[in-house]
Amino acid sequence: HSVLTQPPSASGTPGQRVTISCSGSTSNIGTNTVHWYQQLPGTAPKLLIYSTNQRPSGVPDRFSGSKSGTSASLAISGLQSEDEADYYCAAWDDSLTGPVVFGGGTKLTVL
Amino acid sequence: EVQLVESGGVVVQPGGSLRLSCAASGFTFDDYAMHWVRQAPGKGLEWVSLISWNGATTYYADSVRGRFTISRDNSKNSLYLQMNSLRTEDTALYYCAKVRVGGYYYWPLDSWGQGTLVTVSS
Repeated sequence: HSVLTQPPSASGTPGQRVTISCSGSTSNIGTNTVHWYQQLPGTAPKLLIYSTNQRPSGVPDRFSGSKSGTSASLAISGLQSEDEADYYCAAWDDSLTGPVVFGGGTKLTVL
Repeated sequence: EVQLVESGGVVVQPGGSLRLSCAASGFTFDDYAMHWVRQAPGKGLEWVSLISWNGATTYYADSVRGRFTISRDNSKNSLYLQMNSLRTEDTALYYCAKVRVGGYYYWPLDSWGQGTLVTVSS
Protein backbone atom coordinates (compact mmCIF):
# COMPACT_ATOMS: atom_id res chain seq x y z
CA HIS A 1 0.00 0.00 0.00
CA SER A 2 1.11 3.60 -0.60
CA VAL A 3 2.48 5.90 2.10
CA LEU A 4 0.25 8.72 0.83
CA THR A 5 -3.45 7.90 0.69
CA GLN A 6 -5.66 9.04 -2.17
CA PRO A 7 -9.20 8.02 -3.11
CA PRO A 8 -9.00 5.54 -5.99
CA SER A 9 -11.57 7.42 -8.05
CA ALA A 10 -13.29 10.76 -8.47
CA SER A 11 -15.74 12.13 -11.00
CA GLY A 12 -17.48 15.27 -12.14
CA THR A 13 -19.39 16.80 -15.00
CA PRO A 14 -17.98 19.43 -17.37
CA GLY A 15 -17.76 22.82 -15.70
CA GLN A 16 -17.87 21.39 -12.20
CA ARG A 17 -15.22 21.79 -9.50
CA VAL A 18 -13.68 18.61 -8.14
CA THR A 19 -11.13 18.04 -5.42
CA ILE A 20 -8.77 15.13 -4.86
CA SER A 21 -7.38 14.54 -1.39
CA CYS A 22 -4.01 13.19 -0.31
CA SER A 23 -3.40 12.12 3.26
CA GLY A 24 0.04 11.61 4.72
CA SER A 25 1.92 12.01 7.99
CA THR A 26 4.21 14.36 9.85
CA SER A 27 7.29 12.93 8.11
CA ASN A 28 6.07 13.79 4.63
CA ILE A 29 3.18 16.20 4.01
CA GLY A 30 3.34 17.56 7.54
CA THR A 31 6.94 18.69 7.05
CA ASN A 32 7.50 19.03 3.31
CA THR A 33 5.76 20.43 0.27
CA VAL A 34 3.43 18.38 -1.88
CA HIS A 35 3.57 17.88 -5.62
CA TRP A 36 0.91 16.65 -8.02
CA TYR A 37 1.32 14.77 -11.28
CA GLN A 38 -1.20 14.22 -14.05
CA GLN A 39 -0.96 11.08 -16.16
CA LEU A 40 -3.11 11.03 -19.25
CA PRO A 41 -3.90 7.57 -20.66
CA GLY A 42 -0.87 5.97 -22.28
CA THR A 43 1.49 8.82 -21.50
CA ALA A 44 4.21 9.69 -19.01
CA PRO A 45 3.35 11.65 -15.87
CA LYS A 46 3.42 15.43 -16.10
CA LEU A 47 4.17 17.84 -13.25
CA LEU A 48 0.93 19.67 -12.51
CA ILE A 49 1.54 21.40 -9.17
CA TYR A 50 4.84 21.77 -7.31
CA SER A 51 5.69 23.11 -3.86
CA THR A 52 2.07 22.56 -2.75
CA ASN A 53 0.49 25.40 -4.75
CA GLN A 54 2.74 26.44 -7.63
CA ARG A 55 1.86 25.82 -11.27
CA PRO A 56 4.57 25.18 -13.87
CA SER A 57 4.43 27.30 -16.96
CA GLY A 58 1.65 26.16 -19.25
CA VAL A 59 -0.58 24.61 -16.59
CA PRO A 60 -3.99 26.34 -16.57
CA ASP A 61 -5.01 28.22 -13.44
CA ARG A 62 -8.02 25.90 -13.22
CA PHE A 63 -5.65 23.63 -11.31
CA SER A 64 -4.74 24.59 -7.75
CA GLY A 65 -3.18 22.92 -4.73
CA SER A 66 -3.34 23.40 -1.00
CA LYS A 67 -2.19 21.77 2.21
CA SER A 68 -3.32 21.68 5.81
CA GLY A 69 -1.45 19.73 8.43
CA THR A 70 -0.74 16.26 7.08
CA SER A 71 -3.24 16.44 4.23
CA ALA A 72 -3.21 18.08 0.82
CA SER A 73 -5.74 18.67 -1.92
CA LEU A 74 -5.79 19.22 -5.64
CA ALA A 75 -8.70 21.25 -6.96
CA ILE A 76 -9.79 21.38 -10.56
CA SER A 77 -12.34 24.03 -11.47
CA GLY A 78 -14.21 24.33 -14.74
CA LEU A 79 -13.73 20.61 -15.36
CA GLN A 80 -13.04 19.68 -18.98
CA SER A 81 -13.14 16.34 -20.77
CA GLU A 82 -9.38 16.50 -21.34
CA ASP A 83 -8.85 16.50 -17.57
CA GLU A 84 -9.80 12.82 -17.49
CA ALA A 85 -6.60 11.23 -16.22
CA ASP A 86 -4.85 9.67 -13.24
CA TYR A 87 -3.61 12.11 -10.61
CA TYR A 88 -0.82 11.36 -8.14
CA CYS A 89 0.35 13.29 -5.11
CA ALA A 90 3.96 12.96 -3.98
CA ALA A 91 6.23 14.28 -1.29
CA TRP A 92 9.68 14.01 0.21
CA ASP A 93 9.60 11.82 3.32
CA ASP A 94 12.03 12.35 6.18
CA SER A 95 11.47 8.91 7.70
CA LEU A 96 13.09 5.59 6.83
CA THR A 97 10.23 5.03 4.38
CA GLY A 98 11.49 7.67 2.03
CA PRO A 99 12.92 9.70 0.68
CA VAL A 100 10.28 9.96 -2.04
CA VAL A 101 6.72 8.73 -1.61
CA PHE A 102 3.79 8.72 -4.02
CA GLY A 103 0.08 8.37 -3.44
CA GLY A 104 -1.71 5.43 -4.97
CA GLY A 105 -3.31 7.64 -7.60
CA THR A 106 -6.84 8.86 -8.28
CA LYS A 107 -8.59 8.14 -11.56
CA LEU A 108 -10.67 11.15 -12.51
CA THR A 109 -13.63 10.51 -14.78
CA VAL A 110 -15.41 13.36 -16.55
CA LEU A 111 -19.02 12.26 -16.93
CA GLU B 1 13.48 21.12 -25.16
CA VAL B 2 14.22 18.51 -22.51
CA GLN B 3 14.35 14.98 -23.88
CA LEU B 4 14.80 11.81 -21.87
CA VAL B 5 14.93 8.54 -23.78
CA GLU B 6 15.04 5.28 -21.87
CA SER B 7 16.26 1.99 -23.34
CA GLY B 8 17.26 -1.50 -22.31
CA GLY B 9 13.93 -2.95 -21.27
CA VAL B 10 13.46 -6.59 -22.27
CA VAL B 11 11.99 -9.86 -21.06
CA VAL B 12 14.30 -11.47 -18.48
CA GLN B 13 14.03 -14.52 -16.26
CA PRO B 14 13.71 -14.28 -12.48
CA GLY B 15 17.15 -13.96 -10.94
CA GLY B 16 18.53 -12.33 -14.06
CA SER B 17 20.19 -8.96 -14.58
CA LEU B 18 19.57 -5.98 -16.78
CA ARG B 19 20.94 -2.47 -17.28
CA LEU B 20 18.63 0.35 -18.23
CA SER B 21 19.91 3.53 -19.85
CA CYS B 22 18.48 7.01 -20.17
CA ALA B 23 19.88 9.44 -22.74
CA ALA B 24 19.33 13.08 -21.83
CA SER B 25 19.36 16.17 -24.00
CA GLY B 26 18.06 19.72 -24.06
CA PHE B 27 19.46 20.72 -20.67
CA THR B 28 22.77 20.79 -18.80
CA PHE B 29 22.67 17.20 -17.59
CA ASP B 30 25.45 17.48 -15.02
CA ASP B 31 23.60 20.25 -13.20
CA TYR B 32 20.63 18.08 -12.19
CA ALA B 33 19.84 15.18 -9.91
CA MET B 34 18.01 12.36 -11.67
CA HIS B 35 15.53 9.66 -10.65
CA TRP B 36 14.10 6.34 -11.74
CA VAL B 37 10.39 5.75 -11.14
CA ARG B 38 8.50 2.63 -12.17
CA GLN B 39 4.91 1.70 -12.87
CA ALA B 40 3.71 -1.88 -12.85
CA PRO B 41 1.04 -2.70 -15.47
CA GLY B 42 -2.25 -1.10 -14.43
CA LYS B 43 -0.76 0.17 -11.16
CA GLY B 44 0.42 3.44 -9.69
CA LEU B 45 3.79 5.14 -9.63
CA GLU B 46 6.55 3.74 -7.42
CA TRP B 47 9.72 5.66 -6.76
CA VAL B 48 12.88 3.56 -7.28
CA SER B 49 16.08 5.57 -6.91
CA LEU B 50 17.76 8.94 -7.18
CA ILE B 51 21.28 10.19 -7.82
CA SER B 52 22.76 13.61 -7.19
CA TRP B 53 24.15 15.78 -9.96
CA ASN B 54 27.69 14.57 -9.34
CA GLY B 55 26.85 10.96 -8.50
CA ALA B 56 28.12 11.32 -4.94
CA THR B 57 24.74 10.73 -3.31
CA THR B 58 22.26 7.98 -4.07
CA TYR B 59 19.01 6.79 -2.50
CA TYR B 60 16.98 3.64 -3.06
CA ALA B 61 13.54 2.35 -2.27
CA ASP B 62 13.50 -0.49 0.24
CA SER B 63 12.10 -2.81 -2.43
CA VAL B 64 15.22 -2.52 -4.61
CA ARG B 65 18.03 -1.66 -2.17
CA GLY B 66 20.89 -4.12 -2.47
CA ARG B 67 19.72 -5.33 -5.89
CA PHE B 68 19.63 -2.17 -8.03
CA THR B 69 22.41 0.38 -8.57
CA ILE B 70 21.89 3.83 -10.03
CA SER B 71 24.76 5.59 -11.77
CA ARG B 72 25.44 8.34 -14.27
CA ASP B 73 28.05 9.34 -16.83
CA ASN B 74 27.95 13.11 -17.16
CA SER B 75 30.38 13.01 -20.08
CA LYS B 76 27.77 11.00 -22.00
CA ASN B 77 24.66 12.77 -20.64
CA SER B 78 23.42 9.37 -19.53
CA LEU B 79 21.71 7.82 -16.53
CA TYR B 80 21.77 4.11 -15.76
CA LEU B 81 20.02 1.56 -13.59
CA GLN B 82 21.77 -1.76 -13.03
CA MET B 83 19.17 -4.31 -11.97
CA ASN B 84 20.29 -7.61 -10.44
CA SER B 85 18.45 -10.54 -8.84
CA LEU B 86 15.30 -9.55 -10.68
CA ARG B 87 11.94 -10.70 -9.36
CA THR B 88 8.57 -11.01 -11.03
CA GLU B 89 7.38 -8.03 -8.97
CA ASP B 90 9.99 -5.85 -10.71
CA THR B 91 7.94 -6.07 -13.90
CA ALA B 92 7.10 -2.48 -14.79
CA LEU B 93 7.55 0.46 -17.10
CA TYR B 94 10.67 2.26 -15.88
CA TYR B 95 10.81 6.03 -16.28
CA CYS B 96 13.83 8.25 -15.87
CA ALA B 97 13.03 11.74 -14.68
CA LYS B 98 14.80 15.04 -14.12
CA VAL B 99 14.62 17.23 -11.04
CA ARG B 100 13.05 20.65 -11.53
CA VAL B 101 15.88 22.70 -10.07
CA GLY B 102 19.58 22.09 -10.53
CA GLY B 103 22.36 21.92 -7.99
CA TYR B 104 21.75 20.31 -4.62
CA TYR B 105 17.98 19.95 -5.07
CA TYR B 106 16.83 16.33 -5.22
CA TRP B 107 13.12 16.84 -5.76
CA PRO B 108 10.53 17.32 -7.35
CA LEU B 109 10.58 15.87 -10.85
CA ASP B 110 9.57 18.05 -13.75
CA SER B 111 10.40 16.07 -16.89
CA TRP B 112 9.90 12.39 -17.61
CA GLY B 113 10.87 10.06 -20.42
CA GLN B 114 8.38 7.74 -22.10
CA GLY B 115 9.64 4.70 -20.21
CA THR B 116 11.14 1.32 -21.04
CA LEU B 117 9.31 -1.91 -20.24
CA VAL B 118 10.98 -4.56 -18.10
CA THR B 119 9.23 -7.92 -17.91
CA VAL B 120 10.50 -10.51 -15.46
CA SER B 121 9.04 -13.87 -16.33
CA SER B 122 10.08 -17.47 -16.77
